[in-house]
Amino acid sequence: SQQGEEDPQALSIQEGENATMNCSYKTSINNLQWYRQNSGRGLVHLILIRSNEREKHSGRLRVTLDTSKKSSSLLITASRAADTASYFCATDQSGSARQLTFGSGTQLTVLP
Amino acid sequence: GAGVSQSPRYKVAKRGQDVALRCDPISGHVSLFWYQQALGQGPEFLTYFQNEAQLDKSGLPSDRFFAERPEGSVSTLKIQRTQQEDSAVYLCASSLVPQALRAFFGQGTRLTVV
Repeated sequence: SQQGEEDPQALSIQEGENATMNCSYKTSINNLQWYRQNSGRGLVHLILIRSNEREKHSGRLRVTLDTSKKSSSLLITASRAADTASYFCATDQSGSARQLTFGSGTQLTVLP
Repeated sequence: GAGVSQSPRYKVAKRGQDVALRCDPISGHVSLFWYQQALGQGPEFLTYFQNEAQLDKSGLPSDRFFAERPEGSVSTLKIQRTQQEDSAVYLCASSLVPQALRAFFGQGTRLTVV
């Protein structure tokens, strides 16, 4: 079964706008990662945030983590048409860093 | 190679047929993972290898599913007596460290059981 939910399930924005996706999970975690998947392709690792971190930046990506609420958000700034993809959060649980448990994903469409 | 390679990319199997899916991880990567992804869903964990040792197979849905990595590099996921509910994309991932961090995923094998 999947770890949690992602919200929204689908998001459509204009190029240049910011996109925010949220992820909730159920159990204590070591790390939370965000992955991107283009249609028919494998997943690409975007960013990792550790359980003792609250915010992390990488280029146009900003990730926040609130362990008290068991939630994370991914912000993509100044979106581009090439950002169109599905975005998944993935957690590895405390005491077991061997499995990734994925959310159900957010389908982002960036309109040119 | 430069990335994780999976073959075949597409497989159509008749119900009851056995299939074998291959994964070539990135050279030197200790960890290898198999995931199953149903249409419109996130990947679900199947099994994990650290080198040649299968340390976690808790996600394998039934005893029809079997995975091996005999020499600690290439891995094969075998599904015996395929059923329609086995239709999914099977993703392989590898990681340099013995943890599920910053894993590199292959493009997957799309299995359709008819």
